[in-house]
Amino acid sequence: ETGVTQTPRHLVMGMTNKKSLKCEQHLGHNAMYWYKQSAKKPLELMFVYNFKEQTENNSVPSRFSPECPNSSHLFLHLHTLQPEDSALYLCASAASGGDYNEQFFGPGTRLTVL
Amino acid sequence: GQNIDQPTEMTATEGAIVQINCTYQTSGFNGLFWYQQHAGEAPTFLSYNVLDGLEEKGRFSSFLSRSKGYSYLLLKELQMKDSASYLCAVEDSNYQLIWGAGTKLIIKP
Repeated sequence: ETGVTQTPRHLVMGMTNKKSLKCEQHLGHNAMYWYKQSAKKPLELMFVYNFKEQTENNSVPSRFSPECPNSSHLFLHLHTLQPEDSALYLCASAASGGDYNEQFFGPGTRLTVL
Repeated sequence: GQNIDQPTEMTATEGAIVQINCTYQTSGFNGLFWYQQHAGEAPTFLSYNVLDGLEEKGRFSSFLSRSKGYSYLLLKELQMKDSASYLCAVEDSNYQLIWGAGTKLIIKP
């Protein structure tokens, strides 16, 4: 498989559930990102990892917990979410140190919190 | 604060030309990106501008004026498959992308 993949593509969960989103990139990149995309709003950067180290956390609530075990995999662990957390969660990767920071996106996980 | 403005929605006719504008106010500037996102799909890279002027890539061109904090994406010979959202993003002084809310482009036959 090539590019950036995300699983699951769709997720419905209750506010008391615990679930995890998975992202995998097959591009040899060393930077990975989690974004939240809500309807008619700009993409919101949540977390950034460079060489497996977290370099950015944009004031994201602690009910979202990222994990980056290696440069190819990124997880977003979810627990006690709120209905307003319903959105499309996009993963992206990039090759740090290039001429410009072109990001390659996965297809996203459509999350619905009931 | 940091801000990227672009129109919410535009409509154009198949075969025509459309220009999507983007204005920005950011903490520093390290380049401006345009991405295309079809409904239910991932955003995909279209263009990058860091110097003033026009970058042409087939039917798509992107223009940048850093002094005006302004860019546009020009789409020529519109096709139905160009119906999508077009996202403008600026890389700030921390090398993070600041995104606009996107412009939904509707192409009519």
